[in-house]
Amino acid sequence: DSGVTQTPKHLITATGQRVTLRCSPRSGDLSVYWYQQSLDQGLQFLIQYYNGEERAKGNILERFSAQQFPDLHSELNLSSLELGDSALYFCASSDTTGMNEQYFGPGTRLTVT
Amino acid sequence: QKEVEQDPGPLSVPEGAIVSLNCTYSNSAFQYFMWYRQYSRKGPELLMYTYSSGNKEDGRFTAQVDKSSKYISLFIRDSQPSDSATYLCAMSDFGNEKLTFGTGTRLTIIP
Repeated sequence: DSGVTQTPKHLITATGQRVTLRCSPRSGDLSVYWYQQSLDQGLQFLIQYYNGEERAKGNILERFSAQQFPDLHSELNLSSLELGDSALYFCASSDTTGMNEQYFGPGTRLTVT
Repeated sequence: QKEVEQDPGPLSVPEGAIVSLNCTYSNSAFQYFMWYRQYSRKGPELLMYTYSSGNKEDGRFTAQVDKSSKYISLFIRDSQPSDSATYLCAMSDFGNEKLTFGTGTRLTIIP
């Protein structure tokens, strides 16, 4: 158990809908990262937050957004969902004290029908 | 061309064998190198972490980094059926905390 928690485990929704994925980092970690894992693209970095502020952005679609709250949990919002958004979404956290060891949560499996 | 290349396998070896997993990369700025193990439908689990070139050993696992060749390896000694999983290499450069992953190698240890 990495100490990173994610909810829900599974999500099934229809095209055009909006969903919110939640992540709680390990105790003491200030950085949260979101990754998408699909069969054809592998694990892709989406976005990073550090202590409430956006720190880095990857290949994140404009339909996707994220935020990190004062208690350090983070939410990833996916809107106008398309079939191609079906994937595993992982959250990772690190303490960013120089070494970039990232610890991953169990993921949320999103299925768009 | 992808920044990180990894043979997807699948790789099947008998129990007790030494397993060698490899990645090559093109970005010379990468400084931090990691290996993750991912069981089916689970989150990636950090196995090994190395900084710059050299070797690091942890139990049955040894990670090697050769920056001059842009090549990293993970060796698993005395492989066990419980080692059956997908192994992902990941890297990042100094000051950039996003991880760039290989596509993963699916490993099966045959009892």
